[in-house]
Amino acid sequence: DAKTTQPNSMESNEEEPVHLPCNHSTISGTDYIHWYRQLPSQGPEYVIHGLTSNVNNRMASLAIAEDRKSSTLILHRATLRDAAVYYCILGTGNQFYFGTGTSLTVIP
Amino acid sequence: DTGVSQNPRHKITKRGQNVTFRCDPISEHNRLYWYRQTLGQGPEFLTYFQNEAQLEKSRLLSDRFSAERPKGSFSTLEIQRTEQGDSAMYLCASSLSVGTGEYSGANVLTFGAGSRLTVL
Repeated sequence: DAKTTQPNSMESNEEEPVHLPCNHSTISGTDYIHWYRQLPSQGPEYVIHGLTSNVNNRMASLAIAEDRKSSTLILHRATLRDAAVYYCILGTGNQFYFGTGTSLTVIP
Repeated sequence: DTGVSQNPRHKITKRGQNVTFRCDPISEHNRLYWYRQTLGQGPEFLTYFQNEAQLEKSRLLSDRFSAERPKGSFSTLEIQRTEQGDSAMYLCASSLSVGTGEYSGANVLTFGAGSRLTVL
């Protein structure tokens, strides 16, 4: 299975940027890098995805290393509503493998 | 469209009973996935459908588990002879396949809120 490695937990102050790292050293050339987040008692929610180039959307930015073995999800200004578990996932063919994710705490 | 709908949201059953969960995906989505999530863990892939065809099953899906997607619309996940180890959140997701083969990893999943199973 394609695997990713993330820190178990991170903290951020409200309204400050947050950089969530992910290592995926076994990534293959056709694997897409996805980020989802999950609030308590809810299903995961799509955040962003990319293949090689950095990506921006209204929720976040995704920075992908040149060798694609790591990536960083960037939340530009953390809010209390961003407190969630963030999963870095490799889209491998027809499957998406979740790890244990990073639990983000946002401090008011 | 109201998104991906799962029913029931909660199910408590006694060991040995059968349970069935239903997932209604986003109407135009041709792919449907089932995942299982236990406390403190990320979702684990169980199976997925392309239209009505079940194309892949995880080794986690024992013989007591069966999933169907008749007519490529809603899907059901049945667990027979439930065991306490089956207690988990069962998540359904759907996607519109925008690529095949090496490009299918770009598909974006929309998840339902899940069905929580407690086996006593």
